[in-house]
Amino acid sequence: AQSVTQLGSHVSVSEGALVLLRCNYSSSVPPYLFWYVQYPNQGLQLLLKYTSAATLVKGINGFEAEFKKSETSFHLTKPSAHMSDAAEYFCAVRTGGGNKLTFGTGTQLKVEL
Amino acid sequence: SQTIHQWPATLVQPVGSPLSLECTVEGTSNPNLYWYRQAAGRGLQLLFYSVGIGQISSEVPQNLSASRPQDRQFILSSKKLLLSDSGFYLCAWMLEDTEAFFGQGTRLTVV
Repeated sequence: AQSVTQLGSHVSVSEGALVLLRCNYSSSVPPYLFWYVQYPNQGLQLLLKYTSAATLVKGINGFEAEFKKSETSFHLTKPSAHMSDAAEYFCAVRTGGGNKLTFGTGTQLKVEL
Repeated sequence: SQTIHQWPATLVQPVGSPLSLECTVEGTSNPNLYWYRQAAGRGLQLLFYSVGIGQISSEVPQNLSASRPQDRQFILSSKKLLLSDSGFYLCAWMLEDTEAFFGQGTRLTVV
């Protein structure tokens, strides 16, 4: 079975500071990993994805994530937070060829002046 | 390009009333289709998914059902809504080698 754990349901950073959102996965086979962002009352938008190519993945809006197999992690980072980054972020895992996308419980990111 | 339509955007229904939420996908064939529910602080819970017409897999026992009458149409239903059915419902589609693409969601409030 596959699962995802997001540490920290709420993260607060200052504008211009580093953003780090944590995600650890559990999968018995090589996973596909995703980060999504959700703004209030909207659907989810893909930020980036890992599908067994380069371990450092760059996404939209300046975000990136690094797949670390030894740590079973896929943490999301952005060097400098912007007010517009305030949203909820979800990590998700899918085993290759599998039909299910399993999500973490989400991390609400707050960006303060 | 592919698009996904989900409606209505918001819905207020009394307890005991029926429910029908519809989702349609354009621009792709034979997608896997999904219904998720999102409750505050609980992330996204997979309710149903479908790999083809008439094929429905239920992930959790509940008061809801799903149907896929056409390749790109996925319907979420209930005969009698409960207060606990309130939440934000999201439809999504996915192919074997892609990520999931989401609709804009339906905010359901059962009163």
